[in-house]
Amino acid sequence: AQKITQTQPGMFVQEKEAVTLDCTYDTSDQSYGLFWYKQPSSGEMIFLIYQGSYDEQNATEGRYSLNFQKARKSANLVISASQLGDSAMYFCAITEKDSSYKLIFGSGTRLLVRP
Amino acid sequence: GAVVSQHPSWVICKSGTSVKIECRSLDFQATTMFWYRQFPKQSLMLMATSNEGSKATYEQGVEKDKFLINHASLTLSTLTVTSAHPEDSSFYICSAGKDAGDFTDTQYFGPGTRLTVL
Repeated sequence: AQKITQTQPGMFVQEKEAVTLDCTYDTSDQSYGLFWYKQPSSGEMIFLIYQGSYDEQNATEGRYSLNFQKARKSANLVISASQLGDSAMYFCAITEKDSSYKLIFGSGTRLLVRP
Repeated sequence: GAVVSQHPSWVICKSGTSVKIECRSLDFQATTMFWYRQFPKQSLMLMATSNEGSKATYEQGVEKDKFLINHASLTLSTLTVTSAHPEDSSFYICSAGKDAGDFTDTQYFGPGTRLTVL
């Protein structure tokens, strides 16, 4: 089974609106971390937000928030007030305590923000 | 901050030659660095885990003799693509964490190196 599943290959959002990017994960480990990264066309991977498996509150970082539903094994990224500069690939990833802390990525979602 | 640099940012080489890519953590020490490969329109695939002072751990299917990794210091890891062929053309990107012994540790990525083998 895929460790990380991102079911939306591409998404459109109107500038200034909010958008949710889906991510589900599969792990039997009780201790794990979930990460979201942004990859603009330049190729660099930019860390956005982190959620630990034991964190009870949803993580937030500025306009980014993570909708963490542990029972459903989902960790959706919410971007509020979208900006043109948010157009990029977005990757969800997981690290597991029992897997040497390797970062395993999903297939990504391409987000395009319309003016 | 947590800044990771990579050099070169792009390289074009002839088939059969070797190419070395450097990954440096600029403002922190990294006992563990990771090397990824990304083909166009695809996700990042982990190639190997680079450990300072010891041998790298390669993922299944990655040729150790082709992709040589050296982690000589706490701030530098190098990836050498030996006898490169056109199928090795790809985007190579490294990452490092401040405390990669902790699964909650954030990995910070270098800007990547685009390799084209003619």
